[in-house]
Amino acid sequence: TQLLEQSPQFLSIQEGENLTVYCNSSSVFSSLQWYRQEPGEGPVLLVTVVTGGEVKKLKRLTFQFGDARKDSSLHITAAQPGDTGLYLCAVIMTTDSWGKLQFGAGTQVVVTP
Amino acid sequence: KAGVTQTPRYLIKTRGQQVTLSCSPISGHRSVSWYQQTPGQGLQFLFEYFSETQRNKGNFPGRFSGRQFSNSRSEMNVSTLELGDSALYLCASSLGSSSSYNEQFFGPGTRLTVL
Repeated sequence: TQLLEQSPQFLSIQEGENLTVYCNSSSVFSSLQWYRQEPGEGPVLLVTVVTGGEVKKLKRLTFQFGDARKDSSLHITAAQPGDTGLYLCAVIMTTDSWGKLQFGAGTQVVVTP
Repeated sequence: KAGVTQTPRYLIKTRGQQVTLSCSPISGHRSVSWYQQTPGQGLQFLFEYFSETQRNKGNFPGRFSGRQFSNSRSEMNVSTLELGDSALYLCASSLGSSSSYNEQFFGPGTRLTVL
C-alpha cells in the first residue's frame, strides 16, 4: 500500500479546461510538497504546504492542504499545453534528523491544444 | 548558476554487468540523494550522502551502492544488473544540514536499460 495515493492516474483534457488532481493518505503530515516532472527532466518543486487548510496560488495553479493535514489537491484553471507533465506529491520522512522524500505514484496530465 | 548534472544521460547494459552513474550537485550544495523511478513503483529513495558519509538509506538490495567525494560529487553503482533495474535514476542535491530538511533540486536523470 502506497503511503500517498494520487488520483486520477491519468488525465487528458483540452486547452482551456480546468482540472483537479488529488493526493490522499491515512497519515498526518507536517508538510506536503507538489512537483511537476516534464519528459526528459527531473521533478521541479512547485509548492510546499505546511498548515492545515492552507491554500496557495501559483499563477493558474491552486494548491490546498486538507484541514487534517492528510490530503491535498492541485487545481489548474484554464489549462495550457505547457501544463502537460507528471504531477507528484511528496512528503518528507525524517529519520534521526535526516529527511528523505517519499513520493506518490503521480498523475500524468496531458493538455492538448 | 548551473543545475544538477548527471552523466551519462542514457545507458544500455546487459544482465550481470555493473554500472556506475555520476552526479554533480549545484555548486555549494553538500548533500546528494539518489532516487529510482520506474513506471510500476514510481519514485523511490535509494540513499543520501552528506559530507562523504551515507546519512540515509532506502529499501534496496546491497547491489546498489554509492559514494560521495570531497567536492560533493557523487556516484552510484549497481552490480550484477537485473532486468528490473531498468529505470530512470535521478540525483538531487541540497544545501544539506543535520538539523533541518533543505529543498532538493533534481537533475535530468540517467535512463538505464538492462537487456
